[in-house]
Amino acid sequence: QKEVEQDPGPLSVPEGAIVSLNCTYSNSAFQYFMWYRQYSRKGPELLMYTYSSGNKEDGRFTAQVDKSSKYISLFIRDSQPSDSATYLCAMKRGSNYKLTFGKGTLLTVNP
Amino acid sequence: NAGVTQTPKFQVLKTGQSMTLQCAQDMNHNSMYWYRQDPGMGLRLIYYSASEGTTDKGEVPNGYNVSRLNKREFSLRLESAAPSQTSVYFCASTGQALEETQYFGPGTRLLVL
Repeated sequence: QKEVEQDPGPLSVPEGAIVSLNCTYSNSAFQYFMWYRQYSRKGPELLMYTYSSGNKEDGRFTAQVDKSSKYISLFIRDSQPSDSATYLCAMKRGSNYKLTFGKGTLLTVNP
Repeated sequence: NAGVTQTPKFQVLKTGQSMTLQCAQDMNHNSMYWYRQDPGMGLRLIYYSASEGTTDKGEVPNGYNVSRLNKREFSLRLESAAPSQTSVYFCASTGQALEETQYFGPGTRLLVL
């Protein structure tokens, strides 16, 4: 079983839709959870960072962590064509540990 | 403040040729990383350097070597390129704060013929 599982998609939605992206993980030692956004032919950029279980909101984006189920989600409200990108979940055990990435989900938001 | 920079942006090599990918960061970060990204495989860690003077193997180190030249620079060398090393290579760096995460460069696209 891989440490981090992420559905690669692709996911195609109409503009304005609510998007839900998900990752599951098997290592209960993971404490820090991130979502990166990667536009085509660009490097990943940090979108959201969470530590504890629960929700964290930033504008149209909400990151959710459920440590008991080993499940994290990213919700995008009122999705825009500019949100079209690959979204990668990432997690780590502590400040001195390496990141473990999911394989990424390709999202297309159609105008 | 340029963040993480990588050179070259794109390179074509013939099998057996060697080359060095350069990475530099201006954020005074201690840790630096090299990843490769392939379709369907996600980001895979090649080598990392937790601090100046140290390097360690990641998930896929075979065929690569690294040098942490100083705190700012971390290079990746392919001694004898193979077609299986055709990929997009990303360099990343991170600081020491508890909630610090990784910042990525723009990538180097490498094609080995």
